Amino acid sequence: DAGVIQSPRHEVTEMGQEVTLRCKPISGHNSLFWYRQTMMRGLELLIYFNNNVPIDDSGMPEDRFSAKMPNASFSTLKIQPSEPRDSAVYFCASSRAGPHTEAFFGQGTRLTVV
Amino acid sequence: GQNIDQPTEMTATEGAIVQINCTYQTSGFNGLFWYQQHAGEAPTFLSYNVLDGLEEKGRFSSFLSRSKGYSYLLLKELQMKDSASYLCAARGAGGYQKVTFGTGTKLQVIP
Repeated sequence: DAGVIQSPRHEVTEMGQEVTLRCKPISGHNSLFWYRQTMMRGLELLIYFNNNVPIDDSGMPEDRFSAKMPNASFSTLKIQPSEPRDSAVYFCASSRAGPHTEAFFGQGTRLTVV
Repeated sequence: GQNIDQPTEMTATEGAIVQINCTYQTSGFNGLFWYQQHAGEAPTFLSYNVLDGLEEKGRFSSFLSRSKGYSYLLLKELQMKDSASYLCAARGAGGYQKVTFGTGTKLQVIP
């Protein structure tokens, strides 16, 4: 398996622009997570899906952030409009169902908003 | 909610043993994870504890005490490549897979 695939790996954009991050989870995994990592706050859970349904989006910082999972093999995280404080590494992770399953992380998207 | 605490940084000598502690408070509990993250890379899974006690996996061991809300990761025979951040993460109770991470402990292994 190729693992969790994220794109792009790096994104530099100007403040106010829309940014879309993409994720392909591992086939057969039914839970998908979006995390944001910064030096100050560490790894923060933004939202997670179970069987393509958003379960908990309490970590989404504000209305500028939205996430979708139209099918089991694809998810997007969108920021519109982007701001410099959104600069961070965004990780997508997926896991199988069950009580003893770990999450597998993608390589992340390093977002810089200037 | 969930709150996870671990030291920010630690330094240890090559060949030595180091213990990284983690305390957690959760509204429900269904397991404790440890992940390793090298600089610029993704976190990778190290261990999972759901019952009290010690789980050993090669040079790495992880311990859990549910009554104390406490876990530690023990790294033996330290190697330079073990320099990384170590993330403690707790899974909440219920039928879903929500996992919350601590801010991580940056371990530096010196010669």
